[in-house]
Amino acid sequence: AQKVTQAQTEISVVEKEDVTLDCVYETRDTTYYLFWYKQPPSGELVFLIRRNSFDEQNEISGRYSWNFQKSTSSFNFTITASQVVDSAVYFCALSEALNYGGSQGNLIFGKGTKLSVKP
Amino acid sequence: NAGVTQTPKFQVLKTGQSMTLQCAQDMNHNSMYWYRQDPGMGLRLIYYSASEGTTDKGEVPNGYNVSRLNKREFSLRLESAAPSQTSVYFCASSELMGLGTDTQYFGPGTRLTVL
Repeated sequence: AQKVTQAQTEISVVEKEDVTLDCVYETRDTTYYLFWYKQPPSGELVFLIRRNSFDEQNEISGRYSWNFQKSTSSFNFTITASQVVDSAVYFCALSEALNYGGSQGNLIFGKGTKLSVKP
Repeated sequence: NAGVTQTPKFQVLKTGQSMTLQCAQDMNHNSMYWYRQDPGMGLRLIYYSASEGTTDKGEVPNGYNVSRLNKREFSLRLESAAPSQTSVYFCASSELMGLGTDTQYFGPGTRLTVL
């Protein structure tokens, strides 16, 4: 069965610190997709990144970087030099390819990690 | 481009009342979804519509019905609201549902309280 675990419920850092949010997933499929979403205090869900299971290259976007390791079933998210505006709940999500075990490509979300960045 | 819009933003119901949550997208997406978000639970799929004219149950469909009115609109109905349905409801859409599973884009959410 699909499962996403975000073991860190809450993290608090001081501005300019680096922080890594952990995500561990379970799936039977060889083709799957991983996502990160940000939910700021205003409540909307903002898409950050999508990664497919065949692409293990790490990705960097400004202060954000993602480390995908199939060997450990992890897709971790690092924020470098954190800022107060990074304060939010971050969700990791998994989707299997269509028709695997009846999957329709639905997103399975982790429970989220609440990041607080203090000035 | 408004993306995904939801109405209303907030709603308070009494137990047993009914209501419909509206969702519309202007991205010409084929697939649409309804999720609920409860504290400490992440998001859970209620219903989805892979394409116009089709709907299917998700993880937590009990107590809900949906209608895919056309390609743009996907509504969620609570026939007889219960306090357990107090939650934040998100609508999402994606261009494709298939082997290249597509990114889902979310609306702003509806905060529903059932007394």
